[in-house]
Amino acid sequence: DTEVTQTPKHLVMGMTNKKSLKCEQHMGHRAMYWYKQKAKKPPELMFVYSYEKLSINESVPSRFSPECPNSSLLNLHLHALQPEDSALYLCASSQDRQGAMPYEQYFGPGTRLTVT
Amino acid sequence: GNSVTQMEGPVTLSEEAFLTINCTYTATGYPSLFWYVQYPGEGLQLLLKATKADDKGSNKGFEATYRKETTSFHLEKGSVQVSDSAVYFCALGVWSYNTDKLIFGTGTRLQVFP
Repeated sequence: DTEVTQTPKHLVMGMTNKKSLKCEQHMGHRAMYWYKQKAKKPPELMFVYSYEKLSINESVPSRFSPECPNSSLLNLHLHALQPEDSALYLCASSQDRQGAMPYEQYFGPGTRLTVT
Repeated sequence: GNSVTQMEGPVTLSEEAFLTINCTYTATGYPSLFWYVQYPGEGLQLLLKATKADDKGSNKGFEATYRKETTSFHLEKGSVQVSDSAVYFCALGVWSYNTDKLIFGTGTRLQVFP
């Protein structure tokens, strides 16, 4: 099973709202990722968790707050977002690195976020 | 630094035509190479991968060969179908800050007409 699930599928929120995106995988992967994808662009990396610890934050504004409660779950907490934050938010996971070769990442279907 | 360059799209083909989408990369160390496909309204799906020079990745009739001498990983398919219409991303897998990262190309939109 190579499935990564994300909820909700769509989310509309106002600029003063607080909401959360959820991601789950049951493949035993120990690295999990959040990406932001604008229309007609490639995904942009936001955060990486490795063994439940934050290992990369790509200078993301503090209105985005990631959380990894356990090795299967990844959350993205949203607060005081701006209209330009509207995008598709993708979660991905990958295996532990063994040896020198990077493993492939498996992506979820994404959450389509609209900030009004 | 690490980067990926893909050919501009859209690529427009008739059904059963031959497909090539060019991808070249710049990398330090020993990267892996991937092709991902994104259908409208969906997330990215891994299409194929190659982990070392001269490896050929293949899946669903698509192929790509990791060419270290030309730093390329071109995607090919002998006979495309309407259902292959999607955006294709070439990606470089690298090690950074003790974590695997993917460096994506800009994506190439493929449109196949009957």
